Amino acid sequence: EIVLTQSPTTMTASPGEKVTITCRASSSVSYMHWYQQKPGASPKPWIYEASKLASGVPDRFSGSGSGTSYSLTINNMEAEDAATYYCQQWNYPSITFGSGTKLEIK
Amino acid sequence: EVKLVESGGGLVQPGRSLKLSCAASGFSFNDYWMGWVRQAPGKGLEWIGEINQDSSTINYTPSLKDKFTISRNNAQNTLYLQMSKLGSEDTAIYYCARASYYGFSAYWGQGTLVTVSS
Repeated sequence: EIVLTQSPTTMTASPGEKVTITCRASSSVSYMHWYQQKPGASPKPWIYEASKLASGVPDRFSGSGSGTSYSLTINNMEAEDAATYYCQQWNYPSITFGSGTKLEIK
Repeated sequence: EVKLVESGGGLVQPGRSLKLSCAASGFSFNDYWMGWVRQAPGKGLEWIGEINQDSSTINYTPSLKDKFTISRNNAQNTLYLQMSKLGSEDTAIYYCARASYYGFSAYWGQGTLVTVSS
């Protein structure tokens, strides 16, 4: 089973700041996706296939990476971006999630 | 509009079984893989498993393979999760999700809470 390690676990960013969340896999993955979750809500699809934004995701978000190293970046942090972000890998037939990064606004 | 509505959660005693349902609407249910994900209180997401369109392929996370069974009824546009020998570690919100390409869950239900306690 592929283990995903996200860092940092928790972070605080100021409005306008650039934010980067990383996700490292214990072995190479076929595809990496990202989800956003706010308290009391279901996860939302956010970035798929490492770099493609899901419908409705602001273009200040971007994703990159390959192999075992991936990242989610926010250019110009906004208050509405405060949430927990999870990476998820697909390496058929296995799917695993990272433990999440909680992003707070300063 | 794609809609996924889970039901069947509630309080269940340790060692008992429970069956969750997920009613799908707004899309052609029998065209998609479907899956289940759970989230323990205050914890992260855990993938449970997925089922293909005609139920010929069902994949599980290894640690839950012997406890949980995923099934579907395409005529009723419903996905199921049969859970057995429940323990306190199974207390969680259970989400159903519609799979897209390469394991991406493009749509999620609102979740149903299962609490395992005596």
